[in-house]
Amino acid sequence: SQQGEEDPQALSIQEGENATMNCSYKTSINNLQWYRQNSGRGLVHLILIRSNEREKHSGRLRVTLDTSKKSSSLLITASRAADTASYFCATPAGGTSYGKLTFGQGTILTVHP
Amino acid sequence: GAVVSQHPSWVICKSGTSVKIECRSLDFQATTMFWYRQFPKQSLMLMATSNEGSKATYEQGVEKDKFLINHASLTLSTLTVTSAHPEDSSFYICSVQGKFTYEQYFGPGTRLTVT
Repeated sequence: SQQGEEDPQALSIQEGENATMNCSYKTSINNLQWYRQNSGRGLVHLILIRSNEREKHSGRLRVTLDTSKKSSSLLITASRAADTASYFCATPAGGTSYGKLTFGQGTILTVHP
Repeated sequence: GAVVSQHPSWVICKSGTSVKIECRSLDFQATTMFWYRQFPKQSLMLMATSNEGSKATYEQGVEKDKFLINHASLTLSTLTVTSAHPEDSSFYICSVQGKFTYEQYFGPGTRLTVT
């Protein structure tokens, strides 16, 4: 079953702009991950944030986590056409354990050159 | 991270035939692999967890007799879609569980089209 809901479902921006995607989940978790999927390809892990972290950075990516609201956001700064992809949040299906992941519905990001 | 391959990358088969998809962990001994399916513009749905040397664990609603999973070695898991029907047409993706990490490493996926 899908735990996460993401919004927006689709986002279209110009190169250089920032893109923000949001994810909400239902159960308690100890970590949340973000993955990227180029069209017709497998997923690539972007970043993991633990439940005791509020914010994490990796290059042009910034992830926040609000466990009280059961939500996370992914910000991509200074976007590039190559950032065009689908972005998914994922949480442990059992809440805390290694193993099964439950994916959000995803946000389709299109960055126009 | 682990490098994961899938074969074939795409396959077209006739209704009623069986299709085998391979998932290989190229540089990592994977005791646990996962199989997902994904319909166009939708998210990934976990089908089953593949454990080396033991039976796979299927998610609710996934027919284990239709989707046969074999994880015979630490580097190879196979998914066989038996008696395929057009509704089985989908994108099938495998992943490998990282060791002592929450991350999963994904294969490039297999596009199955059943005619």
